[in-house]
Amino acid sequence: SQKIEQNSEALNIQEGKTATLTCNYTNYSPAYLQWYRQDPGRGPVFLLLIRENEKEKRKERLKVTFDTTLKQSLFHITASQPADSATYICALTYSGGYQKVTFGTGTKLQVIP
Amino acid sequence: DAGVIQSPRHEVTEMGQEVTLRCKPISGHDYLFWYRQTMMRGLELLIYFNNNVPIDDSGMPEDRFSAKMPNASFSTLKIQPSEPRDSAVYFCASSRLARKSDTQYFGPGTRLTVL
Repeated sequence: SQKIEQNSEALNIQEGKTATLTCNYTNYSPAYLQWYRQDPGRGPVFLLLIRENEKEKRKERLKVTFDTTLKQSLFHITASQPADSATYICALTYSGGYQKVTFGTGTKLQVIP
Repeated sequence: DAGVIQSPRHEVTEMGQEVTLRCKPISGHDYLFWYRQTMMRGLELLIYFNNNVPIDDSGMPEDRFSAKMPNASFSTLKIQPSEPRDSAVYFCASSRLARKSDTQYFGPGTRLTVL
């Protein structure tokens, strides 16, 4: 079965630096890869989606890359701020199953002032 | 728009009791999803509905779990009887259109503790 790996250890980073989070997957590549943000006590909130034929997608200070050869997505937050502290979850959707999204366990990011 | 609404936000019950979780999706959304989140396994899809009809319930852990969607604005997830291993945060999510790229909107979740 498909497996998604995100670093379970928290990532601590100094304010103003670029935070980079990793999402690795096994087996075949998904049609879509999404990144969500989750704050304590709240549900995940969608941030960005990238398709299998796209290499990079940007939105304001966020950037996502998708390397189907490495079976990896990187999620970058530039000029990080304490308000960016949250858990970031990657999610995969495959062409074989409509709307059946497989989520990773997430990586907790802490931006230190 | 109020977003996806879930109730209760917290539920503490004893083993063997029946638990009912409730969800109101965003108006106009055709798809409704129930997820369970734990530290070890992350978000797991339990079941999803399209136009009130259950489409895929392969994630429902066992017969103790059941879900219904009697109309477009209401769904329930029931656990009977509940067990301590059911303790988790349960999320409801909804989405609008029949495309894989459509975003799912999550509710705030129900934190269930079974003693």
